[in-house]
Amino acid sequence: DAGITQSPRHKVTETGTPVTLRCHQTENHRYMYWYRQDPGHGLRLIHYSYGVKDTDKGEVSDGYSVSRSKTEDFLLTLESATSSQTSVYFCAIREATNEKLFFGSGTQLSVL
Amino acid sequence: GENVEQHPSTLSVQEGDSAVIKCTYSDSASNYFPWYKQELGKRPQLIIDIRSNVGEKKDQRIAVTLNKTAKHFSLHITETQPEDSAVYFCAASRYGTGRRALTFGSGTRLQVQP
Repeated sequence: DAGITQSPRHKVTETGTPVTLRCHQTENHRYMYWYRQDPGHGLRLIHYSYGVKDTDKGEVSDGYSVSRSKTEDFLLTLESATSSQTSVYFCAIREATNEKLFFGSGTQLSVL
Repeated sequence: GENVEQHPSTLSVQEGDSAVIKCTYSDSASNYFPWYKQELGKRPQLIIDIRSNVGEKKDQRIAVTLNKTAKHFSLHITETQPEDSAVYFCAASRYGTGRRALTFGSGTRLQVQP
């Protein structure tokens, strides 16, 4: 599992509330990514990080922010959750020496 | 940015038959093309990848072919088995060129009928 842990695994929240998802890795990988998965859309990139305090936006970044204050943790925050953000969220790491992406187990988020 | 289109969205085959999934990409600078398999309720996992300096790559019953001129690549699974049933995603990126991330296709749900 490339030492990736996502928490929580499942979350139900209400519209308008802030939500933070955590991705923790134990192997000191520099590159980390957040994707969301929705039927018919595959995996879409939200934000990614190239190191501590070095982040960039992906194709569906509106309504999301990220932080990376330590190499091992990459946090995804939904500033004010909406029903359209109901999705499965996957964190991933990329090895420095190649392009291989390894995913965490995912977080199922429901916004009611 | 890159756009990856994947077809078909669903595919049903009989056990033992072959399955082919096709993807096209838009960015001619993309040079890395992996395929991921996702079983129900699980994470996507890399099954095979190819770089643009290679036209074909095989690993047992799976193979990937790449046509750079036409900007399309395909996954071939031979002698399909029920455990091949899953959702398959293709992806593309620019290997070794600055900030980059994989762009994924929309997925193909493969059902292998026993």
